Amino acid sequence: LAKTTQPISMDSYEGQEVNITCSHNNIATNDYITWYQQFPSQGPRFIIQGYKTKVTNEVASLFIPADRKSSTLSLPRVSLSDTAVYYCLVGSPMDSSYKLIFGSGTRLLVRP
Amino acid sequence: NAGVTQTPKFRVLKTGQSMTLLCAQDMNHEYMYWYRQDPGMGLRLIHYSVGEGTTAKGEVPDGYNVSRLKKQNFLLGLESAAPSQTSVYFCASSDVLTSGSVPLYNEQFFGPGTRLTVL
Repeated sequence: LAKTTQPISMDSYEGQEVNITCSHNNIATNDYITWYQQFPSQGPRFIIQGYKTKVTNEVASLFIPADRKSSTLSLPRVSLSDTAVYYCLVGSPMDSSYKLIFGSGTRLLVRP
Repeated sequence: NAGVTQTPKFRVLKTGQSMTLLCAQDMNHEYMYWYRQDPGMGLRLIHYSVGEGTTAKGEVPDGYNVSRLKKQNFLLGLESAAPSQTSVYFCASSDVLTSGSVPLYNEQFFGPGTRLTVL
């Protein structure tokens, strides 16, 4: 069971790059790593997903080292609207006992 | 497309009452999920479904039942509500992604949530 650990909170300023690290020491071979963003009173929203090395899309990058025991979500040039809770998620194959574990989340505050 | 919708948005129950939460998705997704989120905490998986007519237990299934009679709908039932079930309930759906013969999960699309209070 791949549990995850994230910092409880982070502060940043507009225009800065923010890196949020998630630890998942017991990640299994077939597990993928996914990050979600959640605003108050809304459901989580998918940001990015990866298996190894680096993945980049239009909003973020995901860095995964070779041992896959951690991952880092990188948000370039954050704005006030990026203030939200970010969840690291490790997912296992759904062919038997399905275990989808959300971390406790990192509350990011972006200041002007 | 409406995506994932949840009914109702809010509900207040008395201890012992029953209710059903409805989740509907119009994306033709195979997988559907029910989560609960308590204040200041992450989401915990209650039950999930990998296809019409199939359901399975998640991390915190006690006190809940589910049904997936139609592919687009996933119902969450509380037979005898307890104050400990006061929470925000989120439904989600996702497509099936496979790597060879191994099923993986993909991006989950979440509904807006149902805020349930049990007195």
